Amino acid sequence: SQTIHQWPATLVQPVGSPLSLECTVEGTSNPNLYWYRQAAGRGLQLLFYSVGIGQISSEVPQNLSASRPQDRQFILSSKKLLLSDSGFYLCAWSSVRETQYFGPGTRLLVL
Amino acid sequence: AQSVTQLDSHVSVSEGTPVLLRCNYSSSYSPSLFWYVQHPNKGLQLLLKYTSAATLVKGINGFEAEFKKSETSFHLTKPSAHMSDAAEYFCVVSLQGGKLIFGQGTELSVKP
Repeated sequence: SQTIHQWPATLVQPVGSPLSLECTVEGTSNPNLYWYRQAAGRGLQLLFYSVGIGQISSEVPQNLSASRPQDRQFILSSKKLLLSDSGFYLCAWSSVRETQYFGPGTRLLVL
Repeated sequence: AQSVTQLDSHVSVSEGTPVLLRCNYSSSYSPSLFWYVQHPNKGLQLLLKYTSAATLVKGINGFEAEFKKSETSFHLTKPSAHMSDAAEYFCVVSLQGGKLIFGQGTELSVKP
C-alpha cells in the first residue's frame, strides 16, 4: 500500500532563516505531488505541484520554492522566512487525475 | 469556472443525532467531488468521492453523500453522530487535470 511521510512534524524558525520541508511517498511510481498551505481558520491553498522529476509548477507568487530531486521526493524551501509563512503545510500525492492523498502535515511557526 | 461553497462554517450536534454538512458546487462539466475530514493538527483523510457512478456515495465511518445535479449539491450526512466525528470537513471539487478546489471548511462539534 501507499504511504506518504512528511517531516519535521513541527518547526519553529526565526524570521529570515532558511526552510526545508520534506515529503516522500512509498509504494507508488511517478506520482503527481502537491504542496498546500493551510493558514489558521482558512481552507487549503495549492502552492506547487509536480508531474515528474524536475517538473514544478507554481500556483502563487511567494517566498517559497519547491524541488523534486527524485521520483517520490518533494521538497519545499525558502531562503528567508517571513512571518506570513507560518501555517500548516500539507503534501499530497495522486496517480494521474485520481484522488489526492495527504500526508500528516508540518506545523511551521515563524517568530 | 469551478467553485465550491460550504454553506455552514460551524455545525453543532448532539451525540447520537444526525449530521448534515452542506456543500454546493459550480462546474461547467460533470465534476469529481470529494469530502475530506481533518482532525486537529492532522492531515486530511478521504471520507468519500463521487466520480459519476452512483449518485449516493458511501464513505468511511458511516458517512455518505448524495450528488444532486439539479441542485448542484453534494451534502454529507451521517445518521448518528459520534464524539470522534468532531473535526473539520472539506468539500472539494476536482478540476480537469487533477487540481483540487477546496471549500472553506465546516467545523463539526459533537456535544455529549
